[in-house]
Amino acid sequence: ILNVEQSPQSLHVQEGDSTNFTCSFPSSNFYALHWYRWETAKSPEALFVMTLNGDEKKKGRISATLNTKEGYSYLYIKGSQPEDSATYLCAFPRLTDSWGKLQFGAGTQVVVTP
Amino acid sequence: EAGVTQFPSHSVIEKGQTVTLRCDPISGHDNLYWYRRVMGKEIKFLLHFVKESKQDESGMPNNRFLAERTGGTYSTLKVQPAELEDSGVYFCASSRGTGALFYEQYFGPGTRLTVT
Repeated sequence: ILNVEQSPQSLHVQEGDSTNFTCSFPSSNFYALHWYRWETAKSPEALFVMTLNGDEKKKGRISATLNTKEGYSYLYIKGSQPEDSATYLCAFPRLTDSWGKLQFGAGTQVVVTP
Repeated sequence: EAGVTQFPSHSVIEKGQTVTLRCDPISGHDNLYWYRRVMGKEIKFLLHFVKESKQDESGMPNNRFLAERTGGTYSTLKVQPAELEDSGVYFCASSRGTGALFYEQYFGPGTRLTVT
């Protein structure tokens, strides 16, 4: 895989249900994986920066896991609430020079309905 | 601390006109990035400043785009002349760390540019 791919593109969740979605990234030259949460017309908000294979990070009801060997990360939302409705973006830093730059996936749009 | 701010929030211009977008990063953040999201597609890197120096401008679409960062503080992105395909949301982000690898970037709310 050469690009950062996210699936599904969108999903609808009933309030109270749990859900998860995937970010796939190049497994070679791995440095870190970033997750962001973005509500339209607001600033994308950093959720996690994950660096270690097998790492699991948690922020409230949102958690993420990382598999660097196979090149994927899962983001989980437990007990979804309407305020979780947003687009969730993952980004993979590419080291093109000494500084690197983020390559984003297209995002997974989550809609939580009451 | 105050977040990253961008001005204007929206801009509607006609093809051929000029538009200048402004970004004020978080105070003390040496790294400043510009990104663009065309509707329905992924956010794409445009360029990266370290203080007042352009570190990487490989994502700039063409020479109609000019970015500056005066004195290593705020940054402007000028599009001249604008074309229809320049429409999208332009994000600015800043970070305190070195490069994009391990440090989270703090994003502004974006400027939605519509070229008609």
